[in-house]
Amino acid sequence: ETGVTQSPTHLIKTRGQQVTLRCSSQSGHNTVSWYQQALGQGPQFIFQYYREEENGRGNFPPRFSGLQFPNYSSELNVNALELDDSALYLCASSLVGTGETQYFGPGTRLLVL
Amino acid sequence: SQQGEEDPQALSIQEGENATMNCSYKTSINNLQWYRQNSGRGLVHLILIRSNEREKHSGRLRVTLDTSKKSSSLLITASRAADTASYFCATDAKGSGNTGKLIFGQGTTLQVKP
Repeated sequence: ETGVTQSPTHLIKTRGQQVTLRCSSQSGHNTVSWYQQALGQGPQFIFQYYREEENGRGNFPPRFSGLQFPNYSSELNVNALELDDSALYLCASSLVGTGETQYFGPGTRLLVL
Repeated sequence: SQQGEEDPQALSIQEGENATMNCSYKTSINNLQWYRQNSGRGLVHLILIRSNEREKHSGRLRVTLDTSKKSSSLLITASRAADTASYFCATDAKGSGNTGKLIFGQGTTLQVKP
């Protein structure tokens, strides 16, 4: 167990809807990163939050947005859902932003119909 | 896009045998990490090797890094059925703007038969 929790574990939405996924980081960690993992693929970096600011973003459109709260927990919001957004969404926490081990949560599996 | 490629994509061995997985990547790195994933759930960190290290051990795991060839290998010795999982290498690329953005390969699926 890493101490990183995510909710919900599973979610079903329809195309065009909006979704919010939540992540609580491991105690003492101030950085949260979000990844999308399509079936049979490796995770792809969406963005990272450090001290409540976005600190780097991967190749994802603006309808993917996030927040980090003062307690370092985080949300991932996806607007105007598309079928291709169906994936496992993973968050990872770490103590600093660079070059350190990231500890992953169990993920939220999103299905868009 | 994926940074690295893992080889083989799938590996099936008997319990007690050794398993070797390889990873190649494209850009200069700060470090390379190996993760395990069971049944599409969260990733479990196995080992981190920095760019100035060549070999690292952790229990039954041995990782090597060759920065001149931009490649790494993960060796699991005396495999067990519980080692059945997908294994991913991930690189923390230099020049990533201090983000710690990990770039993952496609993974190797390991099956260890009892």
